[in-house]
Amino acid sequence: DTGVSQNPRHKITKRGQNVTFRCDPISEHNRLYWYRQTLGQGPEFLTYFQNEAQLEKSRLLSDRFSAERPKGSFSTLEIQRTEQGDSAMYLCASSLAGGGQSTEAFFGQGTRLTVV
Amino acid sequence: DQQVKQNSPSLSVQEGRISILNCDYTNSMFDYFLWYKKYPAEGPTFLISISSIKDKNEDGRFTVFLNKSAKHLSLHIVPSQPGDSAVYFCAASADSNYQLIWGAGTKLIIKP
Repeated sequence: DTGVSQNPRHKITKRGQNVTFRCDPISEHNRLYWYRQTLGQGPEFLTYFQNEAQLEKSRLLSDRFSAERPKGSFSTLEIQRTEQGDSAMYLCASSLAGGGQSTEAFFGQGTRLTVV
Repeated sequence: DQQVKQNSPSLSVQEGRISILNCDYTNSMFDYFLWYKKYPAEGPTFLISISSIKDKNEDGRFTVFLNKSAKHLSLHIVPSQPGDSAVYFCAASADSNYQLIWGAGTKLIIKP
């Protein structure tokens, strides 16, 4: 399977615990994105990497959230001291940048986080 | 302030007929628009896109129309098939920006 892979698919955690999600993008894609989606809404942009550089972070990404892409390949998203409001589907996507043109992003299946 | 709006939460269409999904936007800087389809428990899947220099793009049964003056785009699916039942998201970006702004989605139900 050469698509975007996210692990775990589901995570239930107690409030206050830390969680970490992993995303493996399509191998030749240099752009990687994290989005969050809550019920009845479209995905909301969280952050974006071009290769290993984190180039943009949304205001939605509080200081409890941190994302890394250490070698420009896989990425991790960590949430510290989880709150019930963090419950959502966390989506990772990747795309190939080139020529200044937007290209479509390919999404993983997401990690559904439930904070109890 | 929602920059991309899909005002119909759901749409029911008879199999074989045309499905028309609508999307409105407010940001005149948007220059690239995409439609994604999402099945339950899966991530969104890219369907079709259109650049602001065009007013129509067609791919098989799917056609996207862009009306820049009205800041409106629509996705036409014809003929509609049962496998088209899914949630459809409209998304937009500005100036070749990486960041997509998404609508809330429209759930399309194709009736046999």
